[in-house]
Amino acid sequence: SQQGEEDPQALSIQEGENATMNCSYKTSINNLQWYRQNSGRGLVHLILIRSNEREKHSGRLRVTLDTSKKSSSLLITASRAADTASYFCATPYSGYALNFGKGTSLLVTP
Amino acid sequence: SQTIHQWPATLVQPVGSPLSLECTVEGTSNPNLYWYRQAAGRGLQLLFYSVGIGQISSEVPQNLSASRPQDRQFILSSKKLLLSDSGFYLCAWRSPRRGMAYEQYFGPGTRLTVT
Repeated sequence: SQQGEEDPQALSIQEGENATMNCSYKTSINNLQWYRQNSGRGLVHLILIRSNEREKHSGRLRVTLDTSKKSSSLLITASRAADTASYFCATPYSGYALNFGKGTSLLVTP
Repeated sequence: SQTIHQWPATLVQPVGSPLSLECTVEGTSNPNLYWYRQAAGRGLQLLFYSVGIGQISSEVPQNLSASRPQDRQFILSSKKLLLSDSGFYLCAWRSPRRGMAYEQYFGPGTRLTVT
């Protein structure tokens, strides 16, 4: 079953702008992950944030986690056309697996 | 370094025909292995996962089955395909270490069209 839900479903911005995607989940977690999927390809892991962290950075990515609101956000700063992809949040499931949301489709136009 | 392979890359099969998709991982031992299905424009649905040879957990009741005959080989099968089996099938692996805070690494996927 899917636990994470991303918002918005689709986002269109211009190069240089920032892109923000949100993820809400239902049950307590000890970490949350974000993945990127280019069209027709497999998913690529972007960043993992643990439940005792509120914010984490990786290059142009900034992820926040609010466990009290059961939500996370992914910010991509200074977007590039190459950032065009779908972005998924994922939460732990059954100790070994992950539950993925339906994703946010990001389009960055030159 | 670790590598994950899936084949075939694309497949067109008639309804009622059998299916066999293969996934292999290189460069790691005793990985946790996963099969996901992604319908067009949708999220990932976990189908099966395996924590060891011969150990398969099924997440969705359906006409698909999975097997793990070797440590780094994961096979997805069906005896008779349905139209609803069409989709993008992704295999993934994860470190076998205990705990949940580990990322998954995905293969390139197989695009299956059932006609």
